[in-house]
Amino acid sequence: TQLLEQSPQFLSIQEGENLTVYCNSSSVFSSLQWYRQEPGEGPVLLVTVVTGGEVKKLKRLTFQFGDARKDSSLHITAAQPGDTGLYLCAGARLWAGKSTFGDGTTLTVKP
Amino acid sequence: NAGVTQTPKFQVLKTGQSMTLQCAQDMNHEYMSWYRQDPGMGLRLIHYSVGAGITDQGEVPNGYNVSRSTTEDFPLRLLSAAPSQTSVYFCASSSPRTGYGYTFGSGTRLTVV
Repeated sequence: TQLLEQSPQFLSIQEGENLTVYCNSSSVFSSLQWYRQEPGEGPVLLVTVVTGGEVKKLKRLTFQFGDARKDSSLHITAAQPGDTGLYLCAGARLWAGKSTFGDGTTLTVKP
Repeated sequence: NAGVTQTPKFQVLKTGQSMTLQCAQDMNHEYMSWYRQDPGMGLRLIHYSVGAGITDQGEVPNGYNVSRSTTEDFPLRLLSAAPSQTSVYFCASSSPRTGYGYTFGSGTRLTVV
């Protein structure tokens, strides 16, 4: 079983603070995805990273794929209450047809 | 595009009853999966499919059946509902052509009493 470990599990911060969420594995993945899920909804894809060392930016969110394609991080700059939600990372292997999910990081941004 | 459509959104079953959760996608994605999400336990894979006529088990397949007769549809059948199957169920589709990122449905909240 390929495990993806996310940390921290819970994070509560004030509006305007920066934060980083980590996703680590002992296995190599062909690609890694980050999702955000709000209560009562399905997860929504934020980004896919495929190349070791790749960095992608989505407004105030910066995603990085580790050089060895075993880990990833999500950094949020100047967090806002609208960033509140469950953040999930998932790893996919080529042609496997399925993804492995981490247990998620629950982020609360207080006004 | 509708994306991934799941029905019903809510369902209450009595122990021992059977039912089918419907899932349809209109993106011509090759891969489809069913996950269940329980509080504090993340997403656990029930069954998945890499194409029409091909299905395989995930990590928690017991008590569930699937079939994939078309690219678009991937129904999940609960054979004899048990309280342990109370959960939120998500269907998702993906494609190697788009980097394997999933598009999820909005979920079915199932309660077994």
